[in-house]
Amino acid sequence: DAGITQSPRHKVTETGTPVTLRCHQTENHRYMYWYRQDPGHGLRLIHYSYGVKDTDKGEVSDGYSVSRSKTEDFLLTLESATSSQTSVYFCAISTGDATYEQYFGPGTRLTVT
Amino acid sequence: LAKTTQPISMDSYEGQEVNITCSHNNIATNDYITWYQQFPSQGPRFIIQGYKTKVTNEVASLFIPADRKSSTLSLPRVSLSDTAVYYCLVGERGYQKVTFGTGTKLQVIP
Repeated sequence: DAGITQSPRHKVTETGTPVTLRCHQTENHRYMYWYRQDPGHGLRLIHYSYGVKDTDKGEVSDGYSVSRSKTEDFLLTLESATSSQTSVYFCAISTGDATYEQYFGPGTRLTVT
Repeated sequence: LAKTTQPISMDSYEGQEVNITCSHNNIATNDYITWYQQFPSQGPRFIIQGYKTKVTNEVASLFIPADRKSSTLSLPRVSLSDTAVYYCLVGERGYQKVTFGTGTKLQVIP
């Protein structure tokens, strides 16, 4: 257990509203990631962070922003949610050790109506 | 980042050994091969990682031929609880923009 929590676990929101998902870790790992998972697409990287205030875009970053003001929290924001952003969102951390193994959180199921 | 190809789905009976092969023809010299397992409604879980030949841990074995253009994840004597999606990833250690793809859905049958 890598001490990763995500909040909320489920959310239903309307098109056009802002949404923020939170990922919290308890073990001060350097790397944190946000993925989305949709049927037929596997997991796709949205954004990742390699330190406080250090972030970079992933494969599907359009429509999403992230912030990391402290080591333990990585926030994913949908500025104006759209129905195409209905998905399951997973946060992950990497220990940065020899394998760069990633540990995943429990996921957040987001529905945009 | 090396592109990977793996079967979309596989079925196996309980107690059998299951081998899932992943093709990665354009693997680079510094690339490692990593496998993850994902159960329904959960995030993926790291299973095993290797560079060449054979790697074994308490969960699985990973076989990598000399040319490294493919790899095989071997699960010994599967049980119903091994029903999951298995992902093959290829890339440099420390490369952050990993691609999971759609994986192989393994269904274990009683």
